[in-house]
Amino acid sequence: DAKTTQPPSMDCAEGRAANLPCNHSTISGNEYVYWYRQIHSQGPQYIIHGLKNNETNEMASLIITEDRKSSTLILPHATLRDTAVYYCIVRVARAGNNRKLIWGLGTSLAVNP
Amino acid sequence: SAVISQKPSRDICQRGTSLTIQCQVDSQVTMMFWYRQQPGQSLTLIATANQGSEATYESGFVIDKFPISRPNLTFSTLTVSNMSPEDSSIYLCSVESGLGYGYTFGSGTRLTVV
Repeated sequence: DAKTTQPPSMDCAEGRAANLPCNHSTISGNEYVYWYRQIHSQGPQYIIHGLKNNETNEMASLIITEDRKSSTLILPHATLRDTAVYYCIVRVARAGNNRKLIWGLGTSLAVNP
Repeated sequence: SAVISQKPSRDICQRGTSLTIQCQVDSQVTMMFWYRQQPGQSLTLIATANQGSEATYESGFVIDKFPISRPNLTFSTLTVSNMSPEDSSIYLCSVESGLGYGYTFGSGTRLTVV
């Protein structure tokens, strides 16, 4: 029941911006978009999340289209340590304040020197 | 954000046995989540554990196979029972970290069943 689609892999040159797209065309109005990354053999690491507005933090920016059917995660200056699998996730609300993250298959980002 | 300690980090187990995975959080949290990540796959939610009540299991997961304990607001265990090779996965616990920090994950338990 994945609600997101992402390209399976991408490449990026070190020092350049990495732009990772995600489609979530069936997202509902109260469902948030989350981004995580997972470096091999480690637990997922939180990057950013948003509902409607664009968001920015020390790691990345999240651009959400006005219709909320897609978003883009931007790593402004990619480094070799940003090589990881990036997951675009929709958080769905359920009865009793019980929320669930629905994970997509992720994009494997390779940052090249 | 919360810090999670998950044990063991990895184990190799014989089929038919059980393994209990522990998750300790450095702060009190209402809900704890248990996930499975099969080889080369994404994460799938197994169950949500609230302190003082029975865990809520997702479709495809049952309490007899994955019993969960939640004795207090900082600790939970997941047991993988009567294991088979198909249970070989990474198991992760997670908590909500508070406003602006999303969800924090443990480093995972890499389980191999032989």
